[in-house]
Amino acid sequence: SQTIHQWPATLVQPVGSPLSLECTVEGTSNPNLYWYRQAAGRGLQLLFYSVGIGQISSEVPQNLSASRPQDRQFILSSKKLLLSDSGFYLCAWTTGDPTGELFFGEGSRLTVL
Amino acid sequence: AQSVTQLGSHVSVSEGALVLLRCNYSSSVPPYLFWYVQYPNQGLQLLLKYTSAATLVKGINGFEAEFKKSETSFHLTKPSAHMSDAAEYFCAVTASGGGTSYGKLTFGQGTILTVHP
Repeated sequence: SQTIHQWPATLVQPVGSPLSLECTVEGTSNPNLYWYRQAAGRGLQLLFYSVGIGQISSEVPQNLSASRPQDRQFILSSKKLLLSDSGFYLCAWTTGDPTGELFFGEGSRLTVL
Repeated sequence: AQSVTQLGSHVSVSEGALVLLRCNYSSSVPPYLFWYVQYPNQGLQLLLKYTSAATLVKGINGFEAEFKKSETSFHLTKPSAHMSDAAEYFCAVTASGGGTSYGKLTFGQGTILTVHP
């Protein structure tokens, strides 16, 4: 069966520090991968998605970037964090389902101080 | 483009009472609709989805939702609430037909369900 892992689960970082959140999917190949951010009371916002290695699409302009160095690995990064980057980051994947149903990881909570 | 409005950021019910969480959507093409549940500090889990096969959709944990095109609604219901239903619920929409919209769900703001004993 397919599983998705995110790490770290919790992260506290100072303003201006770098960020790297990692997501790995197991049990499937060539998935579409997504990064969503959940801010308190604001639902989920799609940040990036990827349909293949090295292919990244950004949905909103921001201080973050994403990379897909391997088929089942998706990384969210920042060179210098802002206070507004705080939130709950969720990685998700889909493949094969005609509706595009998403399967989510457990999330990474980032607090920028 | 698609959008979702969830009416009521907080809903409180007594254990055993009916649960009704409201969701209205907007879509320029036939939609796919989803309800997800999120427990504290966890990811989202799919409860059910509408894919145009049937307007009344049954999901996990006794939840169901009815697609009403005329009302552009997809409300989530459960006849009898259980303490374990306390969580945040998200309605989401995407355009049918795939293409550039594939997998790009638009979520509502979420509704926190509290269940009182």
